[in-house]
Amino acid sequence: QVQLQESGPGLVKPSETLSLTCTVSDGSSSSSRDFWGWIRQPPGKGLEWIGIIYSSGSTYYNASLKSRVTMSVDTSKNQISLRLTSVTAADTAVYYCARLRGLGSGRWFDPWGQGTLVTVSS
Amino acid sequence: SYELTQPPSVSVSPGQTASITCSGDKLGDKYVCWYQKRPGQSPALVIFQNNRRPSGIPERFSGSNSGNTATLTISGTRAMDEADYYCQAWDISTESVVFGGGTRLTVL
Repeated sequence: QVQLQESGPGLVKPSETLSLTCTVSDGSSSSSRDFWGWIRQPPGKGLEWIGIIYSSGSTYYNASLKSRVTMSVDTSKNQISLRLTSVTAADTAVYYCARLRGLGSGRWFDPWGQGTLVTVSS
Repeated sequence: SYELTQPPSVSVSPGQTASITCSGDKLGDKYVCWYQKRPGQSPALVIFQNNRRPSGIPERFSGSNSGNTATLTISGTRAMDEADYYCQAWDISTESVVFGGGTRLTVL
């Protein structure tokens, strides 16, 4: 069964860049074949979709974050990366990576990583 | 942009049926999935494609979607079902994921 593990700095200074990595493990799935997404949850708030990346490399981002987000895949390492520039305190959240399943008009995330808390503070 | 609306909270007595709604314009034309989110844990998929249960999810979880409303129904609710529940849809026109605001289910 595929497992995902997020990693990266837990503390980022305001105006700097948040960089996270999601490592995919298990032989039945790989970053080169599947689709992936990043989702975050600010403290006390709901889930917010950040973006998705297809195995082709195509990316789609939340319009509210599009100018600051970049997602990429390193198939040799089975890793999916997230970069978020010019962060503010509003970007403080638990960040999750997840595999995107389904086709056409039906898509869902399963499984999810355990999440990693990123705090933006000086 | 497309929006999904959920009630902030729902309460249910143990053993009773809990219904959590998710509303959106012509939502019945889309597929909806549901996640269970317990504190300190990552979200877990409980329903996908409106009414399908992933392996390992109890039969007491079911879903429906028609018109402008999708519903997650939990029959014979247990204390362990107390959690936040989020609906999610896919906006194919913009290739975007949309989450509802979440509903806190209290079992009391």
